Amino acid sequence: KQEVTQIPAALSVPEGENLVLNCSFTDSAIYNLQWFRQDPGKGLTSLLLIQSSQREQTSGRLNASLDKSSGRSTLYIAASQPGDSATYLCAVLASGTYKYIFGTGTRLKVLA
Amino acid sequence: NAGVTQTPKFQVLKTGQSMTLQCAQDMNHEYMSWYRQDPGMGLRLIHYSVGAGITDQGEVPNGYNVSRSTTEDFPLRLLSAAPSQTSVYFCASSPSGRSTGELFFGEGSRLTVL
Repeated sequence: KQEVTQIPAALSVPEGENLVLNCSFTDSAIYNLQWFRQDPGKGLTSLLLIQSSQREQTSGRLNASLDKSSGRSTLYIAASQPGDSATYLCAVLASGTYKYIFGTGTRLKVLA
Repeated sequence: NAGVTQTPKFQVLKTGQSMTLQCAQDMNHEYMSWYRQDPGMGLRLIHYSVGAGITDQGEVPNGYNVSRSTTEDFPLRLLSAAPSQTSVYFCASSPSGRSTGELFFGEGSRLTVL
């Protein structure tokens, strides 16, 4: 059974720091992995989608990498800003299924 | 640009009552799904659909029914509400459900069962 873990559960950093969020999954047979952002009381917004054949994706200050063999993905946020404060979730789509499995998220607070 | 629309945003039910959470998307997506989000447990898949007339169960389907009569709509029915169904419910859609597309989420429906 696919399990997705995100550590740490919460993170607080000063503005301007570069930071890395981690996502681990137990089964390397995946179609894709997505990173999402969730603001309090809101829905999830897709940030980056990495297909199983890709190693990384970039969007602005965000870079996500995927290492299927080790069951890991990282989300790198450059020059963090208070507006980046949110919960970040990753999800994998297991091969042979239509089921996305989510991690429990990392709650990020960027201090001004 | 409506995207994925969920109604209602808030609902309070008494134990044993039934209700339907509505989900509509205007992106012609084949894949639609329902999740519940509970503190400390992340999002868990309830039911999903890969096209009109095709539905299947997710991780936590008990107590919920779905149907998909059109591409646009995917309602979630609570048959007899229980306090354990107090949660925030999210509907999400994707172009095809497999590797080609990202998931788009609605704003959520917060349900309290007394």
